[in-house]
Amino acid sequence: DAKTTQPPSMDCAEGRAANLPCNHSTISGNEYVYWYRQIHSQGPQYIIHGLKNNETNEMASLIITEDRKSSTLILPHATLRDTAVYYCIVRVDSSNSGKLIFGQGTTLQVKP
Amino acid sequence: DTAVSQTPKYLVTQMGNDKSIKCEQNLGHDTMYWYKQDSKKFLKIMFSYNNKELIINETVPNRFSPKSPDKAHLNLHINSLELGDSAVYFCASSQAQRGAFFGQGTRLTVV
Repeated sequence: DAKTTQPPSMDCAEGRAANLPCNHSTISGNEYVYWYRQIHSQGPQYIIHGLKNNETNEMASLIITEDRKSSTLILPHATLRDTAVYYCIVRVDSSNSGKLIFGQGTTLQVKP
Repeated sequence: DTAVSQTPKYLVTQMGNDKSIKCEQNLGHDTMYWYKQDSKKFLKIMFSYNNKELIINETVPNRFSPKSPDKAHLNLHINSLELGDSAVYFCASSQAQRGAFFGQGTRLTVV
């Protein structure tokens, strides 16, 4: 699975949009981009994933560049409860495997 | 209803003991996993099962033995516990390319 690069930490003001970048320049054509987050002392939580097109759900939006070498997770109106470590992961779509390889992630601190 | 549940939430035990952690998912997923998160907060996959069949074993010591009695359950048995086994263990499940759901973790402390 392709490696990802994320900034180690970011700050965001409460109520503002949080834009979390991720580089995955070696991504293959059959690899999806996944985002998870881990709030302190909890299990990782799935946020969103995509292959080529931009995606949006009730939690966030995922913007993938046309060359698929990078992506941005957008939390449109960050709250204090969004403070967490955010992980960007790429993996092959497989019905039998699909192991997630977690990197160091980005620690997002939402400030009042 | 909790989608992925693990028991116990906390486990404190002495070196050399044998212990088990249980995991159940009610999502109907085919694939289940065990992850380990150490003190440095790195999450590493240990095992993956698909329809009760082992498909991933990430060079985990054979003191760790996963058991999947059915596709809704994946238990982790650990023999001869060592200090270095202290960590938070997470169970997860997924279906095809959809996102994985994680349990709340079991904090294992070996003293």
